[in-house]
Amino acid sequence: DTEVTQTPKHLVMGMTNKKSLKCEQHMGHRAMYWYKQKAKKPPELMFVYSYEKLSINESVPSRFSPECPNSSLLNLHLHALQPEDSALYLCASSQLGLTNTGELFFGEGSRLTVL
Amino acid sequence: AQKVTQAQTEISVVEKEDVTLDCVYETRDTTYYLFWYKQPPSGELVFLIRRNSFDEQNEISGRYSWNFQKSTSSFNFTITASQVVDSAVYFCALSENGSSNTGKLIFGQGTTLQVKP
Repeated sequence: DTEVTQTPKHLVMGMTNKKSLKCEQHMGHRAMYWYKQKAKKPPELMFVYSYEKLSINESVPSRFSPECPNSSLLNLHLHALQPEDSALYLCASSQLGLTNTGELFFGEGSRLTVL
Repeated sequence: AQKVTQAQTEISVVEKEDVTLDCVYETRDTTYYLFWYKQPPSGELVFLIRRNSFDEQNEISGRYSWNFQKSTSSFNFTITASQVVDSAVYFCALSENGSSNTGKLIFGQGTTLQVKP
């Protein structure tokens, strides 16, 4: 079983809805990530939080708003999405600092469909 | 620029066959990390192995083995005696700038492996 938990597993929303994706890890990792993955494509990095602060935003549209309330939780708030935003959204975590060995631990993803 | 190439888009084998997934990378960094991840239909990316640029020893873990060759910038993955449960998409990835602190993995396009009974 994965140690990174994402909810919901599936989400269907209209273009005017506001929804949130949630991610939780209890491995003591201090870096958390959001990746977006379209069908038959590799994951694409969206955001990175290091020590609860946003360190990387890969020029993601403002209709995606990340939030890191504490070192274990990561949210992705969704508003006014477009059908082309339909994808699998993957959360990941990793260590930082001298103990960082580079690998990311991924959740099972939230499959989002925008109508 | 950093780049990972997985030339094989799809591979289909019959159970018990051996199969090798190719990965070629490009980087100007002297320190970097390479990874293989498995993505079954459930969606989760499962970490399989990490290799740093200073460690060219090949590794074997059960039916899995990895061949890292800096001279050819390749990090190939072999599954021996494949099983139906090995069916998945496999991604090779490179960490950017060697620090790996950013978590910015450069992924290959992935190889879809289908193992038929």
